[in-house]
Amino acid sequence: QQPVQSPQAVILREGEDAVINCSSSKALYSVHWYRQKHGEAPVFLMILLKGGEQKGHEKISASFNEKKQQSSLYLTASQLSYSGTYFCGTEKSQYGAGSYQLTFGKGTKLSVIP
Amino acid sequence: NAGVTQTPKFRILKIGQSMTLQCAQDMNHNYMYWYRQDPGMGLKLIYYSVGAGITDKGEVPNGYNVSRSTTEDFPLRLELAAPSQTSVYFCASRAKGQGAVNEQFFGPGTRLTVL
Repeated sequence: QQPVQSPQAVILREGEDAVINCSSSKALYSVHWYRQKHGEAPVFLMILLKGGEQKGHEKISASFNEKKQQSSLYLTASQLSYSGTYFCGTEKSQYGAGSYQLTFGKGTKLSVIP
Repeated sequence: NAGVTQTPKFRILKIGQSMTLQCAQDMNHNYMYWYRQDPGMGLKLIYYSVGAGITDKGEVPNGYNVSRSTTEDFPLRLELAAPSQTSVYFCASRAKGQGAVNEQFFGPGTRLTVL
């Protein structure tokens, strides 16, 4: 089942903060975040792991609530370059490890204006 | 490293025609994937492969076929193209985790229109 992202779209002025949420109904092993600009391929931002580890971007942070199967992406002091569509990809737990398949949400369109 | 490459970048097909979308990666990744992306719908998994000679269906496999004879290549075959297959197709690859979870790398995409 496709994870649910919210909000669907958000408009920010430069310097403002935003939070994008991703919620799944299944037990998750990891959550992956990507940003896609118009006409381009998705670009990796962040991985959140069951157990609390994470790796990714310097200027973007994220959290993963394993009990609720929810992840949030925090964009602080937004820049014009942050504009794009943000996708979460969820990886199910399988026999105590990851399933190696990602199911993506519909995306959150972020627009940063001067 | 070229990463993940896809050809062609654009293609227009007539209904009923067939074609193969090419995908190659030079990172020695075990896992490879084909997604389609329709406006406002996110990425849907078509097929995936865990290694040479092993493929499996994803969420939306109907109308497509794949093969994986080498680690590097993972072509996607469309037989009898239909307007519903108009989409942007992305290939991706991912390394097998050695005690770590690794990110997926995406190719630049193929924009396909079926008329």
